Amino acid sequence: DVKVTQSSRYLVKRTGEKVFLECVQDMDHENMFWYRQDPGLGLRLIYFSYDVKMKEKGDIPEGYSVSREKKERFSLILESASTNQTSMYLCASSESGNQPQHFGDGTRLSIL
Amino acid sequence: TQLLEQSPQFLSIQEGENLTVYCNSSSVFSSLQWYRQEPGEGPVLLVTVVTGGEVKKLKRLTFQFGDARKDSSLHITAAQPGDTGLYLCAGLSSGTYKYIFGTGTRLKVLA
Repeated sequence: DVKVTQSSRYLVKRTGEKVFLECVQDMDHENMFWYRQDPGLGLRLIYFSYDVKMKEKGDIPEGYSVSREKKERFSLILESASTNQTSMYLCASSESGNQPQHFGDGTRLSIL
Repeated sequence: TQLLEQSPQFLSIQEGENLTVYCNSSSVFSSLQWYRQEPGEGPVLLVTVVTGGEVKKLKRLTFQFGDARKDSSLHITAAQPGDTGLYLCAGLSSGTYKYIFGTGTRLKVLA
């Protein structure tokens, strides 16, 4: 079974802090994704990566950056956290472009 | 902007009833996935459909992809409390890595 592991289940940070969310997958998948999930808005794509050191903006990249130095790890960075970034963050991976995604259990991030 | 509309948004039914959830778009998708998400967890893949008109069954769950590959439905027969959760559809357009997710249907099955 594919295992996608997010480093924290719950995280509380203060406005202005730099926040790192880590995601690791163990199936040598090419593609990795970061979403945020908010009530009534569904899952919205922040960034995705289709190869090491490659990244593309999703639908809501503002205020975020990503890093993919190794194939198995995809990091989401909040450069200067703000209260409107309080959300559930979900990481996913997929084998290739047309394969379904496998999700981690999510990180519930609160920015105070 | 591509949209996937799911209906209904909320559904509360008694154990043993049948239900259908719909996922509709004006866009064509090369494949469509259905996921179930339980509180505090990430979405778990239930099924992928890729061919127009395709029907897949997973125990009491029946998934159908529309002939034009713009819509899909999920039918649950004799719902059980264990079916409770958030059901999400996600469509993938040809030549892209980006999945478009529906806003979800929150199902509660009462014992």
